[in-house]
Amino acid sequence: DVKVTQSSRYLVKRTGEKVFLECVQDMDHENMFWYRQDPGLGLRLIYFSYDVKMKEKGDIPEGYSVSREKKERFSLILESASTNQTSMYLCASGTGSSPYEQYFGPGTRLTVT
Amino acid sequence: GENVEQHPSTLSVQEGDSAVIKCTYSDSASNYFPWYKQELGKGPQLIIDIRSNVGEKKDQRIAVTLNKTAKHFSLHITETQPEDSAVYFCAASWRTSYDKVIFGPGTSLSVIP
Repeated sequence: DVKVTQSSRYLVKRTGEKVFLECVQDMDHENMFWYRQDPGLGLRLIYFSYDVKMKEKGDIPEGYSVSREKKERFSLILESASTNQTSMYLCASGTGSSPYEQYFGPGTRLTVT
Repeated sequence: GENVEQHPSTLSVQEGDSAVIKCTYSDSASNYFPWYKQELGKGPQLIIDIRSNVGEKKDQRIAVTLNKTAKHFSLHITETQPEDSAVYFCAASWRTSYDKVIFGPGTSLSVIP
């Protein structure tokens, strides 16, 4: 079974803090994704990566950056957290054989106060 | 712009009844239409998909239909069971310079025993 793990289930940070969200997958997938999930808005793509050290902006990249130093690990970075970044963050991985066949982690509920 | 609408936002049915969730999409380039189920505390999981050259697809108690002319697609769950209770997301997907997946806002389905 594909396993995607995220470093924290719940996280509380203060405005202005630098926040790291870590994601690890164990299926040797090339593709990895970061989404945020908000009520009534579904999932929105923040960043994605098709290869090590490669990154591409998704639909809402502002205020975020990412890092992929190893194939199995994809990190989302909030350089200076703001209250409007309070959300559920979901990581996913996929082989790329079909664009939507993505395997999701359980999510990190981030609260910025 | 690219958009996927989904209705209803919440749905309650009695165990054994059918549930129907409807989606519309805006981008004519869409040619894959996946559906995801998100159980409480978990990430979304792909449950079924339909491609643009197919009008209907069935997998046990789940069926999806697609009307490309009208840009509508639907999820039908028959003989609902309490374990069907979850949030369901439809999505539209297509290949551009990267794999694009646009999610609907989600439907919270409750199956009442």
